Amino acid sequence: GAVVSQHPSWVICKSGTSVKIECRSLDFQATTMFWYRQFPKQSLMLMATSNEGSKATYEQGVEKDKFLINHASLTLSTLTVTSAHPEDSSFYICSARDRQGSQETQYFGPGTRLLVL
Amino acid sequence: SQQGEEDPQALSIQEGENATMNCSYKTSINNLQWYRQNSGRGLVHLILIRSNEREKHSGRLRVTLDTSKKSSSLLITASRAADTASYFCATVHGGATNKLIFGTGTLLAVQP
Repeated sequence: GAVVSQHPSWVICKSGTSVKIECRSLDFQATTMFWYRQFPKQSLMLMATSNEGSKATYEQGVEKDKFLINHASLTLSTLTVTSAHPEDSSFYICSARDRQGSQETQYFGPGTRLLVL
Repeated sequence: SQQGEEDPQALSIQEGENATMNCSYKTSINNLQWYRQNSGRGLVHLILIRSNEREKHSGRLRVTLDTSKKSSSLLITASRAADTASYFCATVHGGATNKLIFGTGTLLAVQP
């Protein structure tokens, strides 16, 4: 149980294009999902907290107009990297909290590797 | 930044040996969690220790927490080659979202 999937698992795009990444909770409902970014050999940095039915809360330094987050249902959150540039190349990981489970636990997706040429 | 620090950054040991990783954080916490990440993959939750707990065990894992020193340690006993991964501590500092703040990570290599 408590499986989180991400799609796509990897994507290569040209500079200036937009890329959408999906995060799904497969066997539970998630009112809260989180988006992280991880550069090579570095730790995970929280980008934003995604709340179902409301606006996402962004961490300091993260541009909300560049990283659009939509959490339209209890099982799906999307992150769109708009007008991607090479410096946006990174590993993007989402996590989800079970609506009916412990609020201390997050279940992580397998990550999406983005390469912007 | 609230991000914690871990040491060592990298650790190489032989199979059967014990591995100890340390995590320090900056502000008071509700709980501290340890995660494992295999290369290029997602995270796996290992263990959670609350601020009022001092030690916790799970299989070959032993976690300690010293809130006076704002530090935690993860001990993996009788290590195996399959334990090779990056290990991260993450702290929860309260608030409405209970968000995780990750440490810098320790890369563990267990040589067969």
